[in-house]
Amino acid sequence: ETGVTQTPRHLVMGMTNKKSLKCEQHLGHNAMYWYKQSAKKPLELMFVYSLEERVENNSVPSRFSPECPNSSHLFLHLHTLQPEDSALYLCASSQAGSGANVLTFGAGSRLTVL
Amino acid sequence: QQQVKQSPQSLIVQKGGISIINCAYENTAFDYFPWYQQFPGKGPALLIAIRPDVSEKKEGRFTISFNKSAKQFSLHIMDSQPGDSATYFCAARDENDYKLSFGAGTTVTVRA
Repeated sequence: ETGVTQTPRHLVMGMTNKKSLKCEQHLGHNAMYWYKQSAKKPLELMFVYSLEERVENNSVPSRFSPECPNSSHLFLHLHTLQPEDSALYLCASSQAGSGANVLTFGAGSRLTVL
Repeated sequence: QQQVKQSPQSLIVQKGGISIINCAYENTAFDYFPWYQQFPGKGPALLIAIRPDVSEKKEGRFTISFNKSAKQFSLHIMDSQPGDSATYFCAARDENDYKLSFGAGTTVTVRA
């Protein structure tokens, strides 16, 4: 596989469930990102990992918990979510530093919280 | 606080027409301005980008016009085709932390 792969593509969960989103990149990049995409809103940067260290956490509620075990894999652990968390969650990767101007996105995980 | 303001929210254009999307910003630390194209069911993909030292960049039917003094930039899609129907996001990168700020997106529909 090439590019950035996200699983699952669709997820429906109740507010008391615990689930995880997975992202894998095959581009040799060393920075990975989680973005939230809601209708008619700018893409919201949630977390950034650069060289496997978390370098950005944009005041995201603690019910979202990222994990980056290595430079190719990124997870977003979800627990006790709210209906307003329903959105498309996009993973992206890039080279770290000045190479961060070119992001490669995955197709996203569409999350619905009931 | 939205750092990049994008308009219109949506537009419909006839095949062969010109689609124009505008973006404005305030942060003078922005040093790189990419446009991303997103088809339904796909993630955004880099389409074209410009740096503030040039006023225009053209790649095929896609042109970015950049006005540094007005802090505005725009995407022109010439001879629009049905296959151009997508959502387009402008973005700007901060030279201090390399973080990208995105506009809210414009959904373009090209009617055959």
